[in-house]
Amino acid sequence: NAGVMQNPRHLVRRRGQEARLRCSPMKGHSHVYWYRQLPEEGLKFMVYLQKENIIDESGMPKERFSAEFPKEGPSILRIQQVVRGDSAAYFCASSSTGEETQYFGPGTRLLVL
Amino acid sequence: LAKTTQPISMDSYEGQEVNITCSHNNIATNDYITWYQQFPSQGPRFIIQGYKTKVTNEVASLFIPADRKSSTLSLPRVSLSDTAVYYCLVASSGTYKYIFGTGTRLKVLA
Repeated sequence: NAGVMQNPRHLVRRRGQEARLRCSPMKGHSHVYWYRQLPEEGLKFMVYLQKENIIDESGMPKERFSAEFPKEGPSILRIQQVVRGDSAAYFCASSSTGEETQYFGPGTRLLVL
Repeated sequence: LAKTTQPISMDSYEGQEVNITCSHNNIATNDYITWYQQFPSQGPRFIIQGYKTKVTNEVASLFIPADRKSSTLSLPRVSLSDTAVYYCLVASSGTYKYIFGTGTRLKVLA
């Protein structure tokens, strides 16, 4: 029973490039959440998606960040024109409904040079 | 969402029982208490969840007093591999926007 999968695990980008982070939820889960974690801090909520719908993106920066969860395939968190301040660990979680316990993936560590 | 307060760090020795207490004075009637464990370079891992009294699973126990203003995560006979950050979260069943504080950094010593 595979858990939440994220790839890549590590991503290095230069300032101005695009970063695309992928998340495959647990089998049977249709709710996906993205969080960001800076060093020595707790996770911060970014966005909540269901298949083909963004439910809550209140934690997402208004510019350069976008997320999708298509009918087929993984959820994608996209960061355009990355800056050094985007360097962080990005975690995806999934749940079977919007009210159940969230299970987290291993994260993608983004480093912007 | 109820604010939680946990100790910043704790040290313990292998084989000891570790109790981490979380204060949540403003917990609401519909709120549950959930604990996660996070190892370095990994995502948080669900440990245990409870509403009142005592919950036990194969990993830990969760003690919640009658007033529910605090809760205690109990880890029996810790090993070096239990060194991690432990997060206490309080939220109602309909809440999806989890709020993680800085957690408790547990260090288990040989």
